[in-house]
Amino acid sequence: RKEVEQDPGPFNVPEGATVAFNCTYSNSASQSFFWYRQDCRKEPKLLMSVYSSGNEDGRFTAQLNRASQYISLLIRDSKLSDSATYLCVVNPSKYGGSQGNLIFGKGTKLSVKP
Amino acid sequence: DAEITQSPRHKITETGRQVTLACHQTWNHNNMFWYRQDLGHGLRLIHYSYGVHDTNKGEVSDGYSVSRSNTEDLPLTLESAASSQTSVYFCASSEYAGTSGNTIYFGEGSWLTVV
Repeated sequence: RKEVEQDPGPFNVPEGATVAFNCTYSNSASQSFFWYRQDCRKEPKLLMSVYSSGNEDGRFTAQLNRASQYISLLIRDSKLSDSATYLCVVNPSKYGGSQGNLIFGKGTKLSVKP
Repeated sequence: DAEITQSPRHKITETGRQVTLACHQTWNHNNMFWYRQDLGHGLRLIHYSYGVHDTNKGEVSDGYSVSRSNTEDLPLTLESAASSQTSVYFCASSEYAGTSGNTIYFGEGSWLTVV
């Protein structure tokens, strides 16, 4: 099983749609989780961290299921500007602080159409 | 505003040449990283540093080296460029705080083609 797996997509959705991405990770001791966004030919940028209790930021909701070892990202009311690749990122370090251990998924491509 | 810059942004070089990609950050971050990103592989860690004079190998370090002589810079050197090293390279940095929740900030990337 790969360390961090994502459906590569592409997800093609109309404006206003709700879309969900899932990501699975293999290391059950993983401690922190993130979603990054990457636009075409640009650098990745942090979208949001994922907390155990789930968290929301505007139209974006992130959830963590430790028992099943997956993370999800829900985007409501999709905008054209949401078109990008979404990277699932996991820090498998038990003790934290080891940023060098961040594991990036290959990304899920989202295309929002008018 | 604090930032992280990479240079050159685009470079074409020949097989066997030594190439150095520069990375400079003005956040005074302790942690700095180099990643490469290729289709089908996502981001892979090449080398990283947790402070001055500290360097560590990442997942794909063969053929690359780094040095950290000050807080701001982490240059990446390809000792003898190979076609397999054609890729986009991202430098990144984060503040050390002993927790795993720190945000990593990426530079804009350096597109390297080895012919």
